[in-house]
Amino acid sequence: NAGVTQTPKFRVLKTGQSMTLLCAQDMNHEYMYWYRQDPGMGLRLIHYSVGEGTTAKGEVPDGYNVSRLKKQNFLLGLESAAPSQTSVYFCASSYSVAGSYEQYFGPGTRLTVT
Amino acid sequence: GENVEQHPSTLSVQEGDSAVIKCTYSDSASNYFPWYKQELGKRPQLIIDIRSNVGEKKDQRIAVTLNKTAKHFSLHITETQPEDSAVYFCAAALDSNYQLIWGAGTKLIIKP
Repeated sequence: NAGVTQTPKFRVLKTGQSMTLLCAQDMNHEYMYWYRQDPGMGLRLIHYSVGEGTTAKGEVPDGYNVSRLKKQNFLLGLESAAPSQTSVYFCASSYSVAGSYEQYFGPGTRLTVT
Repeated sequence: GENVEQHPSTLSVQEGDSAVIKCTYSDSASNYFPWYKQELGKRPQLIIDIRSNVGEKKDQRIAVTLNKTAKHFSLHITETQPEDSAVYFCAAALDSNYQLIWGAGTKLIIKP
């Protein structure tokens, strides 16, 4: 099993450009999450999904959109990138069984907006 | 909503000594408390977790304790080794949703 994978690993954008980050998991997890991690900071939840076709806002959703058209994929979009969105983005997934909340993380995408 | 505070932000210990990281949470209904380890440039990974019906859990050199009355939980690492150097995150969650509320992290430095 590949676990959780993220594409791309690195990206440099200019202010105002758009891009989509792809997260894929092969563990049949219901729940998927997008986080951002700024230098020396913790993890902040951007958006999450509790199943195919559903999405919900997290702690810092502004400037981002998401889609979960297939159970195994969770896409994060930036419509008009800003320097404040320079960060490392982590995707994670977890089971939906009560008592089993371990989140499995992808390797991260390092995004720089100039 | 739930809020998780983590202390200290940086902890430096001599190799072989013990390290303790503490977290407090605000929502008394929270019932799941995991700890994640993130090595430099890597992804966070679960190292140990505890549910609210248990006061302590151990896994080799790592232990977690929970005090529900005081709403705090701690990570204990004994006989620290160089490979324990990393950032450690605590989190809290409710059974009613699957969102983890994260602490800000503790950078653990093991001095040789």
